[in-house]
Amino acid sequence: DAGITQSPRHKVTETGTPVTLRCHQTENHRYMYWYRQDPGHGLRLIHYSYGVKDTDKGEVSDGYSVSRSKTEDFLLTLESATSSQTSVYFCAISESLGGTYNEQFFGPGTRLTVL
Amino acid sequence: DQQVKQNSPSLSVQEGRISILNCDYTNSMFDYFLWYKKYPAEGPTFLISISSIKDKNEDGRFTVFLNKSAKHLSLHIVPSQPGDSAVYFCAAASTSGTYKYIFGTGTRLKVLA
Repeated sequence: DAGITQSPRHKVTETGTPVTLRCHQTENHRYMYWYRQDPGHGLRLIHYSYGVKDTDKGEVSDGYSVSRSKTEDFLLTLESATSSQTSVYFCAISESLGGTYNEQFFGPGTRLTVL
Repeated sequence: DQQVKQNSPSLSVQEGRISILNCDYTNSMFDYFLWYKKYPAEGPTFLISISSIKDKNEDGRFTVFLNKSAKHLSLHIVPSQPGDSAVYFCAAASTSGTYKYIFGTGTRLKVLA
């Protein structure tokens, strides 16, 4: 299994509070991603990173920011959590060797509840 | 604007029979496709992929077929086993663009013993 951890695994917070989720990898992969999974919507890309300090928006980036100061860590921040951000959040990593595409490896997920 | 669609939310199949999961896409720039399996309370795990230069890729019991003209791909599982019961996601990417993967909404497969 790819070395990906997410912390915390579960979090309950209140509307309006800031929340930061952490993804940590030990694979030294270049690409890192944050997804949210919701019933009826599948997995939707929030933000992704293609290198240290290089990030870009995904499909549902409003209300979220990210940072990547080291290869191994990718942080997802909800500046002011809303109930619509209650979801399961997955981090994923992938590598591109010689320009080829490869599969993503996913972390175990973080269940976030915003009351 | 759902670029990758899985129109069947659920599917039930008898053990030993074939399971066929379908996926449609709208973006003609997509040229790399993947299938993932997800069990409850776990992250998705990679199953099989296919590049647009192929129309079929096989790995054991799993075969993915790609019909580029119809913008359609399917995953065949033969024979289906109870342990295959999970949610299956298809995903697509454009190798000429950024390394973004767009996922479908998933199909829940139940294999009946």
